[in-house]
Amino acid sequence: AQSVTQLDSQVPVFEEAPVELRCNYSSSVSVYLFWYVQYPNQGLQLLLKYLSGSTLVKGINGFEAEFNKSQTSFHLRKPSVHISDTAEYFCAVLNTGGFKTIFGAGTRLFVKA
Amino acid sequence: NAGVTQTPKFRVLKTGQSMTLLCAQDMNHEYMYWYRQDPGMGLRLIHYSVGEGTTAKGEVPDGYNVSRLKKQNFLLGLESAAPSQTSVYFCASRGLYTEAFFGQGTRLTVV
Repeated sequence: AQSVTQLDSQVPVFEEAPVELRCNYSSSVSVYLFWYVQYPNQGLQLLLKYLSGSTLVKGINGFEAEFNKSQTSFHLRKPSVHISDTAEYFCAVLNTGGFKTIFGAGTRLFVKA
Repeated sequence: NAGVTQTPKFRVLKTGQSMTLLCAQDMNHEYMYWYRQDPGMGLRLIHYSVGEGTTAKGEVPDGYNVSRLKKQNFLLGLESAAPSQTSVYFCASRGLYTEAFFGQGTRLTVV
């Protein structure tokens, strides 16, 4: 069975600083990987996804992530954050050919002025 | 397109009462899911469906039942609500090789 570990529960960062949110996964087969964002009192929105091909994936709002198969990681990065990036971020994994998307516990990003 | 729509958005139940949460999607997706979200625990899968007429248990199915009589709808039922079922419930749907699309959530409080 697959699993996802988000290594930081909270990440405080100053506005315009770079940020990295870490995600490791476990699976015995090939996977698809996703990052979602959740703003307060809203549902989850897709930030970016890795299905195949280039291991560097670019998403919305200036975010990007790199798939590292050898380290089973899919870390999310942004070179310069804004106050509006304050939200909770979820990493998720889906086994290729599988039915269930499994989510990490989430990382709360707090951007300070 | 409306995407994924959940009803109701808020509900307060007394212990022992029953209720049904409705999820509707208009994207012709085969797969549908019910998750619950609790602080510090991310999203945990309750039940899912891989097509009309099918259902399967997820990580935390106890106390819940589901039905998928029509492809576009996925119902989540609580037969006898307990305070431990206080949570935010999310429905999601996806196509074969796509990401999941989420509804806006249902905030349920059981007193």
